[in-house]
Amino acid sequence: LAKTTQPISMDSYEGQEVNITCSHNNIATNDYITWYQQFPSQGPRFIIQGYKTKVTNEVASLFIPADRKSSTLSLPRVSLSDTAVYYCLVGDTGRRALTFGSGTRLQVQP
Amino acid sequence: DGGITQSPKYLFRKEGQNVTLSCEQNLNHDAMYWYRQDPGQGLRLIYYSQIVNDFQKGDIAEGYSVSREKKESFPLTVTSAQKNPTAFYLCASSIEDNTEAFFGQGTRLTVV
Repeated sequence: LAKTTQPISMDSYEGQEVNITCSHNNIATNDYITWYQQFPSQGPRFIIQGYKTKVTNEVASLFIPADRKSSTLSLPRVSLSDTAVYYCLVGDTGRRALTFGSGTRLQVQP
Repeated sequence: DGGITQSPKYLFRKEGQNVTLSCEQNLNHDAMYWYRQDPGQGLRLIYYSQIVNDFQKGDIAEGYSVSREKKESFPLTVTSAQKNPTAFYLCASSIEDNTEAFFGQGTRLTVV
């Protein structure tokens, strides 16, 4: 299984764009990249998933370079409610288990 | 409403007692998972099941047991053999061929 590396924590201010980068040097050909968000005492929530180039939804954008060895989750104009832990996962859509790392703790200040 | 339900939200048990955490889903998902989360840490996989009557150990299965007799149910038993059972337990489900998982709200277990 591809291992992922993310920053432990990040700080931002309301209204700023936040970019969280995840490294996955040994990503396999069939692997997708998926990001989850978790608030304290709640289960993680799916944010976005992609395979290559760029994916955008109503919540975030996901940028994946051609070599796919890293990916960047972009949160536009964050608010206080975006304060959470963000997890990057890498795996085949047919994989048998989801493996979470330690995630990135994002703190948004007023 | 479709979703995944864990109960109870909070659970207290005395040391040495077995306790079973409930997880039910009506999403018609084949795959179900149990995770453990300690304060300030990420999620660690305990057990997972891809189909009824079949399940696999995750990274920290020792001291836990599961069953998957019905598609919609995946209960987790924390046995007395689990050395440090106090934790936040999360159940999830997903369509077998999709990594998007849906999580329950979790059960916070405290063993005293």
